Amino acid sequence: NAGVTQTPKFQVLKTGQSMTLQCAQDMNHNSMYWYRQDPGMGLRLIYYSASEGTTDKGEVPNGYNVSRLNKREFSLRLESAAPSQTSVYFCASSEGHYNEQFFGPGTRLTVL
Amino acid sequence: KNEVEQSPQNLTAQEGEFITINCSYSVGISALHWLQQHPGGGIVSLFMLSSGKKKHGRLIATINIQEKHSSLHITASHPRDSAVYICAVLGNSNYQLIWGAGTKLIIKP
Repeated sequence: NAGVTQTPKFQVLKTGQSMTLQCAQDMNHNSMYWYRQDPGMGLRLIYYSASEGTTDKGEVPNGYNVSRLNKREFSLRLESAAPSQTSVYFCASSEGHYNEQFFGPGTRLTVL
Repeated sequence: KNEVEQSPQNLTAQEGEFITINCSYSVGISALHWLQQHPGGGIVSLFMLSSGKKKHGRLIATINIQEKHSSLHITASHPRDSAVYICAVLGNSNYQLIWGAGTKLIIKP
């Protein structure tokens, strides 16, 4: 089992460019999450998906969109990247909201 | 005031020492998580608990619901335990984890 995989591992964008971060899990989990982690700060929830076909905003959703493509995959899209979106992005999944979360390795994004 | 407070923020100890990291929270919770973030950035779930005590190897986590407090203990600490330890609580009112800022632990040989 690969667990939770994320692509790409690193990305550099120019302001205004768009990109999609991909996340997939092979644990048959219902819930999936996108977080960002800024230096010296805790994780902040961007969006989550309680189950296939549903998505909800987290603490910091502005500037992002998500798609729960199927039970395995949950993507995060930046339509027009801004320097404030420079961060490390983590995807996570869990069997349900009341279960432990399993994290991907992260994507380090720099927006110039 | 943050809803989840961890102490200390930074902790340096010698190999073999008994380590305690504390987490206090101010909201009603359904569960509390302890996670470890390695220097390379990877995040691993250590424990999820809603009452009592759990043990896994040299790690022990306890929670006191009445006092809204949890502790993570590491016995016989080792340099490979050096990492950031994060406390996160799942509130009663929604599905979002509320994260502490983390405790950076360094164990010197």
